Amino acid sequence: DAKTTQPTSMDCAEGRAANLPCNHSTISGNEYVYWYRQIHSQGPQYIIHGLKNNETNEMASLIITEDRKSSTLILPHATLRDTAVYYCIVRVVGGAGNMLTFGGGTRLMVKP
Amino acid sequence: DSGVTQTPKHLITATGQRVTLRCSPRSGDLSVYWYQQSLDQGLQFLIQYYNGEERAKGNILERFSAQQFPDLHSELNLSSLELGDSALYFCASSPSPASGSWEQFFGPGTRLTVL
Repeated sequence: DAKTTQPTSMDCAEGRAANLPCNHSTISGNEYVYWYRQIHSQGPQYIIHGLKNNETNEMASLIITEDRKSSTLILPHATLRDTAVYYCIVRVVGGAGNMLTFGGGTRLMVKP
Repeated sequence: DSGVTQTPKHLITATGQRVTLRCSPRSGDLSVYWYQQSLDQGLQFLIQYYNGEERAKGNILERFSAQQFPDLHSELNLSSLELGDSALYFCASSPSPASGSWEQFFGPGTRLTVL
């Protein structure tokens, strides 16, 4: 799986949009971009994923650049409950093993 | 609530001992994954089972073993425990590949403390 680079930490004001960047310059054509988050020692939680098109669900939006070398997770109206570590993971799916390879992630602190 | 259950929630034991962690996947999910999260190593994949058979192996020590039973629950056995085995152990499950869904759903974890 391709390596990802994320900022170690970010702050965001409550109610504002949180934009979390991820670089994955060595991504292959068959690799998806997945985002998970982990709220203080709880089990990681799936947020969203995409291949090349932008995606939106009830939790977030995922913007993938045209060359697919980077992406941004957008939480449109961050709340205090969004304070967590956010992991950007690039992975192939459908093979023999579909494990997740977690990096260091971005620690997002939402402040009142 | 992800639908994945893990027991026990906390486990405190001594070096050299053996423990068993248990995981029940979401209803209908055939794959079970085990991950270890320690302060210095972060979240690391240990092993995956699919419908009772081992599918993939990660950084799992020889002192550790796992299995998935016919009812699809899984157990992770840790033996000859060392202080460095203290960590959060997460189980995750995912649906059958035929569903086209590759998300993993994580349980609440078991916190193991080795004294």
